[in-house]
Formats: sequence, structure tokens, C-alpha cells
Amino acid sequence: AQSVAQPEDQVNVAEGNPLTVKCTYSVSGNPYLFWYVQYPNRGLQFLLKYITGDNLVKGSYGFEAEFNKSQTSFHLKKPSALVSDSALYFCAVRDLSLTYKYIFGTGTRLKVLA
Amino acid sequence: SAVISQKPSRDICQRGTSLTIQCQVDSQVTMMFWYRQQPGQSLTLIATANQGSEATYESGFVIDKFPISRPNLTFSTLTVSNMSPEDSSIYLCSVEGGSGSPHYEQYFGPGTRLTVT
Repeated sequence: AQSVAQPEDQVNVAEGNPLTVKCTYSVSGNPYLFWYVQYPNRGLQFLLKYITGDNLVKGSYGFEAEFNKSQTSFHLKKPSALVSDSALYFCAVRDLSLTYKYIFGTGTRLKVLA
Repeated sequence: SAVISQKPSRDICQRGTSLTIQCQVDSQVTMMFWYRQQPGQSLTLIATANQGSEATYESGFVIDKFPISRPNLTFSTLTVSNMSPEDSSIYLCSVEGGSGSPHYEQYFGPGTRLTVT
């Protein structure tokens, strides 16, 4: 069965420091992996995806994520955090060989401190 | 990408009544999805709506409670019927990618915040 885990409910980081939001997954086939961000009182916004190819994918707002097959991880990273990055981040996985459905993680609240 | 609008953005309803939420997309899409989200929590898929066929409901959700319409490739509605306070939540519609080649990512509407009193 598909699953995705975000082990941290909240991550605090100082402005200007690098940030990492963790995500691990479990699928039976090839994973399609996604990160979304949700700002207060807003819908989810797509940040980036890994489908195939280069393990390091770059997305919106300076975010990037690294696909690590051996560790079944897809951590979200940014070299220098901004206060405006404070939001709720969701990792999602889709196993295209089985279903069109997404499985979303529980979300990680990122708080960037000025 | 796809641009999605939802109506209403929020509503306060009395228990026992029904509310219909509209979702409009700026391009033709095959699949539309309806999710429920408690504020600050993860998303739960309610159902998948394909144009021209019955919606597919996830475990724990039934058509009598959440009837869905999908009259064309750019529009869908979700009705929350016979509401109770437990239905208070944010309801989100989404679509996969946009027109053209497969994208796989989903794009979400801004959500409808429902409060049932």
C-alpha cells in the first residue's frame, strides 16, 4: 500500500539559514513525488515534482528536493529561508502503476524566524 | 497549470440543511477531485469525478451524503447533504495538470470553508 510520512509536525529555522522539510514514502512501484505549500486561508500550491530523471529537482520560490531511492526519501530544501516561507508543507506520493490517486502526508508547519 | 475557482469561499449553515459547492476550471480536464481538510491538517479524498460517469467515492464517503455532478469538462459541484457539525471543514476541489501533455501534479481551488451550527 502507498504511504507517505512527514516525521516533523513543525520545523523552526532562522531567516537566512538553510531549511529542510523531511518526507519518506512507501510504494510498490515507481513513485511519483510532489511537494505542495499551503499559506494561511489559501488552497494548496504546487511546488515541485519528481517523476523520473535527475534526482535533484528544482521548483518554485527557490525550493528544491532530492529523490533518494535507497532511503525512500524526498526531502524539501531551500538554501536560505525567508520569513515569507512560513507555511504548511505537504508531501504527496502517487504510484501510477496502481492508481491515479494521491496520498498526502500529514503536513509540516514551517516557521521562519526573523 | 490550471486556474480553479470555487464558490462559495465560506458559509455558515444550520444542521440538517444542504450546501452545494461549485468548482470551475479554466481548461478542460478529465478528472476532478474533491477533498476535505480540517484546518491545519492533511487532506482526505472524498471522491473522484469524471465527466460522463458516476463519481467514485472513497471509503467512508457515500453518494447520498456527498452527491457530485460533473456536467462538462470544466465544472463540477459537490453537495454536502443533511449537514451536521461534524461536516465543518474546508472542502477543496482539484484537477490534475492542465491542457496538453500529462503533468501529474494537481492544482487546487482556494477552498470552501464550511461551518455547521
